[in-house]
Amino acid sequence: AQSVTQPDIHITVSEGASLELRCNYSYGATPYLFWYVQSPGQGLQLLLKYFSGDTLVQGIKGFEAEFKRSQSSFNLRKPSVHWSDAAEYFCAVGATGGSYIPTFGRGTSLIVHP
Amino acid sequence: EPEVTQTPSHQVTQMGQEVILRCVPISNHLYFYWYRQILGQKVEFLVSFYNNEISEKSEIFDDQFSVERPDGSNFTLKIRSTKLEDSAMYFCASSGSGTTRNTEAFFGQGTRLTVV
Repeated sequence: AQSVTQPDIHITVSEGASLELRCNYSYGATPYLFWYVQSPGQGLQLLLKYFSGDTLVQGIKGFEAEFKRSQSSFNLRKPSVHWSDAAEYFCAVGATGGSYIPTFGRGTSLIVHP
Repeated sequence: EPEVTQTPSHQVTQMGQEVILRCVPISNHLYFYWYRQILGQKVEFLVSFYNNEISEKSEIFDDQFSVERPDGSNFTLKIRSTKLEDSAMYFCASSGSGTTRNTEAFFGQGTRLTVV
């Protein structure tokens, strides 16, 4: 079964600084990969996804993520963080064979200082 | 833009009572899911539903839980006898249209269930 590790529980950055949130997955083949964002009191919004093709994917709100097969990683990046980016970020993996059930990591809470 | 809708947004219930959480998935989607998120913890898969039957379920989804698609648009999660530890945010999601299920899952805003 697939699994996801988000090693950072909290990340604090200053507004305008760059951001990288880490995600490592475990799966026997190339998986489907996702990043979701959850603002306080809100649901889960899809930021971006990787299914195949170009390993650098662009998402909404200026986010991007890079799939690195050799490192089993799918880190989320943003060049300049805005205060409104403060939220919980979840990496998720979906199996490409058989059932397709997104499995989530525990999340990383992003705190943005002015 | 189509979206997944969940009602109510917040429900408070007494321990031992039955609750039904409701979801309206995106209209042309074929695969439906329930997840839960206990406060401060990860989002956990409960159950998936396709072609009017459960396709997969986790060990969390025991006999106290059931799902139903009663009328072709709603998708419900029933907890028969709630326990304190059922307090969580419950998310409904849907995915897959036409011949493929391998698309991203779209999530609703969630129902916060509080068992007292």
